[in-house]
Amino acid sequence: QQPVQSPQAVILREGEDAVINCSSSKALYSVHWYRQKHGEAPVFLMILLKGGEQKGHDKISASFNEKKQQSSLYLTASQLSYSGTYFCGTGLHGSSNTGKLIFGQGTTLQVKP
Amino acid sequence: EAEVAQSPRYKITEKSQAVAFWCDPISGHATLYWYRQILGQGPELLVQFQDESVVDDSQLPKDRFSAERLKGVDSTLKIQPAELGDSAMYLCASSGDIYNEQFFGPGTRLTVL
Repeated sequence: QQPVQSPQAVILREGEDAVINCSSSKALYSVHWYRQKHGEAPVFLMILLKGGEQKGHDKISASFNEKKQQSSLYLTASQLSYSGTYFCGTGLHGSSNTGKLIFGQGTTLQVKP
Repeated sequence: EAEVAQSPRYKITEKSQAVAFWCDPISGHATLYWYRQILGQGPELLVQFQDESVVDDSQLPKDRFSAERLKGVDSTLKIQPAELGDSAMYLCASSGDIYNEQFFGPGTRLTVL
């Protein structure tokens, strides 16, 4: 049931774009995206609940496909501060009444000057 | 800005010893989560509380782990006896609404020797 994230790691130069994917074999109730810097707690980025939904702030946005089995996180014009490990947390329909999330294995993003 | 507090930040213990971790969620948050994060992996839910009640503890190794949230505010996670494989980061998170973001504390890094 653990979602699969791809790629596992990516290295960018400042100003470049990146896409991180999160795929599930089952339809999802929700997708949460978090960023975690080394030695720190995960920080919430955004949540998607509706099929076909897209949302974002600043230069980080995300989408949730119509079948609600895949979500993508888009980072545009990357900054050094974007470096870290990105996790998607997925909520299955069976756990919609508890809010339980199952996290992917993470995607490590490194932005170089 | 309100934060989730955890203590201790670091704990080194020998196998077969008992350890305990403490978490104080953001004031007013009814939902509290304990996660275990092994290096290089995503957080894995151990136990979820709604107020003082356990909502999900399906992944909690109940032969050695216990968790309580007696007054529905702060919480304690205990391991007895600790095993080498318990070495990990233990994260506490809280949420005001199970459908919204989870706020993570700084975590307790446990090393079992």
